[in-house]
Amino acid sequence: DAKTTQPTSMDCAEGRAANLPCNHSTISGNEYVYWYRQIHSQGPQYIIHGLKNNETNEMASLIITEDRKSSTLILPHATLRDTAVYYCIVRLGGSQGNLIFGKGTKLSVKP
Amino acid sequence: EAGVAQSPRYKIIEKRQSVAFWCNPISGHATLYWYQQILGQGPKLLIQFQNNGVVDDSQLPKDRFSAERLKGVDSTLKIQPAKLEDSAVYLCASSPRPGQAYNEQFFGPGTRLTVL
Repeated sequence: DAKTTQPTSMDCAEGRAANLPCNHSTISGNEYVYWYRQIHSQGPQYIIHGLKNNETNEMASLIITEDRKSSTLILPHATLRDTAVYYCIVRLGGSQGNLIFGKGTKLSVKP
Repeated sequence: EAGVAQSPRYKIIEKRQSVAFWCNPISGHATLYWYQQILGQGPKLLIQFQNNGVVDDSQLPKDRFSAERLKGVDSTLKIQPAKLEDSAVYLCASSPRPGQAYNEQFFGPGTRLTVL
C-alpha cells in the first residue's frame, strides 16, 4: 500500500500557484519524498525529490515540514499544461526499489 | 536523448487470447520495470530487471504473465491467456545504474490493452 495520503482532486486558476499537499506520517529517516505527475495518456514524469531540506528545480518547489510528516509541492505559475495527476511517493534513497503509487491528486488548471 | 519506446500503443484482444508487449529502454539504463495501471489507479509494479536478471517479480501473476529481458536491453511482457481484468495500461520504465544518490525512473507512453 502507498505510504502517503493526498487529496483526490484540486483546482487552480491559470497563472496562480498550485500547492499540492501530501501526508506521510510514517516516513522513516532514510526515506525520500518523490513527486511524479502523469498527464493524460502519457507515462508518469519525475518532478522533484527531497529528504529534509526544501528543494527547487525548473519545474517546481518541494517544501518538507521539519518533522517530515508532510510536504507540499508548489507549481509557482500553473499553466493549462500542468493539468495532470500528481503522485507523492516515499522511497528509500539510492535504491532500485519500487515506486509505490497511490491514486494521486488530480490537478485541474482552469483558464 | 531518446526516451523509453513501447509498442504497440493500443491492443484489443478477446479473453483467453495471448498478447505481447515490447519495450526499448533508454540507452545505457541498467534497470527496467514493467507496471500495470488499471483505470483510475496509480501504476503497480509487475516486474523489475537489473540488466537481464530479475530483481523483483513478487507482484507478477506468474500463471499467466511472463517477461524477459534478453541481452539486458529490450524487454517483452507476455500475457497468456488474457482475462477481462487484465484490461489496463502497461507501462515500461528504465533507470540508470544503481548506487547513485537517487534513481529517477523514465517512463514510456504505455500500451493500452483492452480484453473483450
